Amino acid sequence: QKEVEQNSGPLSVPEGAIASLNCTYSDRGSQSFFWYRQYSGKSPELIMSIYSNGDKEDGRFTAQLNKASQYVSLLIRDSQPSDSATYLCAGGQYSGGGADGLTFGKGTHLIIQP
Amino acid sequence: KAGVTQTPRYLIKTRGQQVTLSCSPISGHRSVSWYQQTPGQGLQFLFEYFSETQRNKGNFPGRFSGRQFSNSRSEMNVSTLELGDSALYLCASSLTGDYGYTFGSGTRLTVV
Repeated sequence: QKEVEQNSGPLSVPEGAIASLNCTYSDRGSQSFFWYRQYSGKSPELIMSIYSNGDKEDGRFTAQLNKASQYVSLLIRDSQPSDSATYLCAGGQYSGGGADGLTFGKGTHLIIQP
Repeated sequence: KAGVTQTPRYLIKTRGQQVTLSCSPISGHRSVSWYQQTPGQGLQFLFEYFSETQRNKGNFPGRFSGRQFSNSRSEMNVSTLELGDSALYLCASSLTGDYGYTFGSGTRLTVV
């Protein structure tokens, strides 16, 4: 059974600090990893994707992937109150004929304290 | 560019009834996924479709079924509804499935 594990939180971080979110996954066949942000009452919104080992930066967000350790993380620099949300980690497999669906963690609730 | 459109937004059904949910993906997207979201279980994978073919199905009973049409629009059906089927059902689309998925606003199903 494919699993993605996240600490449910809440993770409380002061405004302006770095928020660090982590997840681990069980399926070594997973090739693509995503971070989604979900505000209460809204649908998930894709914020980062990562496919190879190392770091990927986009604005204030940095995703990190370590396939040997089966570990994915998301760093949010200069955290803002608007970053307060639930962050979902997801992993998946794909081939030339499409993908097999994503396995999601249950999410980490992040609170940015003004 | 229009996003992923799900209809209806809200549904109230009685136990034992059946329901059909609809999803129109972003234009040009060939991959469509369905997920069930509940407070206790989080987002659980239901189906994955690519070019009208079901590529994968999650661990749900046979009462849950789906299909994808030639225009990439997708429907999912739940028969013999149970109280536990009450959830937010989310559809997501992607160009080919190896890039991130964009989610629709979801259909909130309540079974009474």
